[in-house]
Amino acid sequence: KAGVTQTPRYLIKTRGQQVTLSCSPISGHRSVSWYQQTPGQGLQFLFEYFSETQRNKGNFPGRFSGRQFSNSRSEMNVSTLELGDSALYLCASSSGAGRAYEQYFGPGTRLTVT
Amino acid sequence: QQPVQSPQAVILREGEDAVINCSSSKALYSVHWYRQKHGEAPVFLMILLKGGEQKGHEKISASFNEKKQQSSLYLTASQLSYSGTYFCGTVIGNEKLTFGTGTRLTIIP
Repeated sequence: KAGVTQTPRYLIKTRGQQVTLSCSPISGHRSVSWYQQTPGQGLQFLFEYFSETQRNKGNFPGRFSGRQFSNSRSEMNVSTLELGDSALYLCASSSGAGRAYEQYFGPGTRLTVT
Repeated sequence: QQPVQSPQAVILREGEDAVINCSSSKALYSVHWYRQKHGEAPVFLMILLKGGEQKGHEKISASFNEKKQQSSLYLTASQLSYSGTYFCGTVIGNEKLTFGTGTRLTIIP
């Protein structure tokens, strides 16, 4: 089975711009979660989607949004970028939603905001 | 509620044992362990559900003490390939998976 794929892998944006990141889960997986990873902060949860519905949301400002499509692919959008948004954004898929399923992570998108 | 991991970093010689701890102040439904090597994505190791279940994966095992809301990851006879950052993730009730800040493990020959 192909793993989780994320596009693009690297991105450089300017403050104030917006960005859209894409995630394709493992075939058959219906749950997708997004995390922000920065040095010293570990993995900060952004959202979890299951069958196109947002199940959980992390403590991030409204500039961060996401969605999931009927084919389970997911996108996240960050508007009005700030320097502090520079991070590695990881997407993870699992076969089920919630608390007892292992997650498979993609390679991430490295976002740099200048 | 972010779990607390300890130690933050540890350096071992090949063949030595290590224990990484993860604790929460709230009742946990499950504890998840992942390992991330430098420049790579986190990789799933194991899940422990409430009930004090202990799991093993080759020379890596873990326990979950439901009364103390603590989990420990045990690495025995460590190998160079065990180096990386270990994250525990916890789930309270039906909430999201929340990760700790990680434990950096370095194995030296």
